[in-house]
Amino acid sequence: AQSVTQLGSHVSVSEGALVLLRCNYSSSVPPYLFWYVQYPNQGLQLLLKYTTGATLVKGINGFEAEFKKSETSFHLTKPSAHMSDAAEYFCAVSGNNFGNEKLTFGTGTRLTIIP
Amino acid sequence: DAGVIQSPRHEVTEMGQEVTLRCKLISGHNSLFWYRQTMMRGLELLIYFNNNVPIDDSGMPEDRFSAKMPNASFSTLKIQPSEPRDSAVYFCATNLRISGANVLTFGAGSRLTVL
Repeated sequence: AQSVTQLGSHVSVSEGALVLLRCNYSSSVPPYLFWYVQYPNQGLQLLLKYTTGATLVKGINGFEAEFKKSETSFHLTKPSAHMSDAAEYFCAVSGNNFGNEKLTFGTGTRLTIIP
Repeated sequence: DAGVIQSPRHEVTEMGQEVTLRCKLISGHNSLFWYRQTMMRGLELLIYFNNNVPIDDSGMPEDRFSAKMPNASFSTLKIQPSEPRDSAVYFCATNLRISGANVLTFGAGSRLTVL
């Protein structure tokens, strides 16, 4: 079984500041990890994913995340926040990537950017 | 959401009425997922299909909810009778092959309001 915990339901950062959104997972098998972003009145869009290989993964819009097995974490970062980054972010985990698996989502973190 | 088309985008109905939400997959896929999103409960998996067969419907709230997938590119989620607590955004999703990995790809959602 898999589960995800996102620390902080709301995060506010100033424009140009570092963005750090935290995600910890629990999985009984090697996990596949994902970050999704949801803009108002839209569906979820994939930001980045970790399946196998390099533990630092880069996604769209300048975001990246690092898989740390020892810490069971997959935190999302961006060096410099932009106003357009304001959205809700979801971390998700699955136990395989065969195409028929279901994802378990965290409760989401709403990111606000302060001008 | 290019691969997943949902209709209607918005539905307002009165308590007791039947509601049918539709999902069309643009190209052939093996899997289809129905999620519900509310402020209180976040993103919940209701049911998912693999090769048109329901694999896990443990997330379906109660007998008022039913889902069908009559062919590989179409599914419906029906609520009969609807209740105000069913008000939510309902998302359909499927797995798309992106950069060598299967990625859950969402439609834009159907926003349901039950008065």
